[in-house]
Amino acid sequence: KAGVTQTPRYLIKTRGQQVTLSCSPISGHRSVSWYQQTPGQGLQFLFEYFSETQRNKGNFPGRFSGRQFSNSRSEMNVSTLELGDSALYLCASSLARQGRTADTQYFGPGTRLTVL
Amino acid sequence: GENVEQHPSTLSVQEGDSAVIKCTYSDSASNYFPWYKQELGKRPQLIIDIRSNVGEKKDQRIAVTLNKTAKHFSLHITETQPEDSAVYFCAASIEKYGNKLVFGAGTILRVKS
Repeated sequence: KAGVTQTPRYLIKTRGQQVTLSCSPISGHRSVSWYQQTPGQGLQFLFEYFSETQRNKGNFPGRFSGRQFSNSRSEMNVSTLELGDSALYLCASSLARQGRTADTQYFGPGTRLTVL
Repeated sequence: GENVEQHPSTLSVQEGDSAVIKCTYSDSASNYFPWYKQELGKRPQLIIDIRSNVGEKKDQRIAVTLNKTAKHFSLHITETQPEDSAVYFCAASIEKYGNKLVFGAGTILRVKS
């Protein structure tokens, strides 16, 4: 099976712009979670989508949003970019088996976002 | 909210020695504890995980132990090899929050040959 894929791999934006990142989960996986990784804050949970619905949300401002499509692919959007949004954005997919709420998550390679 | 502390932040061992990384979690409702290995420039990869109904789990040179009373869990790597050099992250999740993982700050493991 192909692994989790993310596009684009690298992105450079300027302050005030907006950006959309894409994540394709492993075939058959229904849950997609997004994480931000920075040297200072480590890995932080942004949100999780399951069956096209946001199931959980982290402590990020409303500028960070996401969605999931019927084929389980997910996008996240960051509006009004700030310098501090520069980070590696990782998505992770999981089977989300029935009766098991915390399932093994497999990460994509990430999108490296640089905000100038 | 849930908090996970990880120690040490860096660990240097001689090839063939054992390495132990410890994590402490704050919420007693945590029930799933994965460990990820991240090499430079690569994605985090799951190396082992444990659920709260199990005290220990082993996979070849890697083992994880869980002490629910003390709210801590540890990663043990035996017979370390240079390719074990990487950053290791522990994480915890609470059942009612689904797949939300709270990560520790990471441990840089260096295996000297």
